[in-house]
Amino acid sequence: EAQVTQNPRYLITVTGKKLTVTCSQNMNHEYMSWYRQDPGLGLRQIYYSMNVEVTDKGDVPEGYKVSRKEKRNFPLILESPSPNQTSLYFCASSEQGYSNQPQHFGDGTRLSIL
Amino acid sequence: GQSLEQPSEVTAVEGAIVQINCTYQTSGFYGLSWYQQHDGGAPTFLSYNALDGLEETGRFSSFLSRSDSYGYLLLQELQMKDSASYFCAVRSSTDSWGKLQFGAGTQVVVTP
Repeated sequence: EAQVTQNPRYLITVTGKKLTVTCSQNMNHEYMSWYRQDPGLGLRQIYYSMNVEVTDKGDVPEGYKVSRKEKRNFPLILESPSPNQTSLYFCASSEQGYSNQPQHFGDGTRLSIL
Repeated sequence: GQSLEQPSEVTAVEGAIVQINCTYQTSGFYGLSWYQQHDGGAPTFLSYNALDGLEETGRFSSFLSRSDSYGYLLLQELQMKDSASYFCAVRSSTDSWGKLQFGAGTQVVVTP
């Protein structure tokens, strides 16, 4: 089954404790992206990757890191999480980033930073 | 930069028609997409318009007017399962190609 898989689905942690949210897709997609969703703000893009080894900032990259060493994986790293990063996070992928092809979203990761 | 505006909520009865408007400000517009998201779920792609006009997919249609920087999503023959949030999204060609910006979303409430 074609899918984008995020882990964990839920995480409660404390300020300053490094964490990684994994994202993997099995569709051989070139493009991958991370979003955060907060009430009333819609989806805001954190980082995206046009293809392996190429990543770039979205609209809200502060406090986040990403890496794209393999086509299928695009982990989101919070080196020193803070309470304002409490949010619902989505990973998405599409065949390419140059055309507006449908993005396929993972089921989301709900992060609570205390 | 880019900005998108859409109404926060729309309520309608089953069987009715709902139009969700989206106005955008962006340099180098490339295309307008629509996504649906049910409570607690992941967004799913509905439609995409790159050129002016109407695109129809079953009960849902999407329209774009590039000269007016405006688009809308039309939901016909509303069903209870259409209760969800709907987001418009734009990709700019002068900004970095991979950047995609979403509106804040319109919650559609369908009543019996």
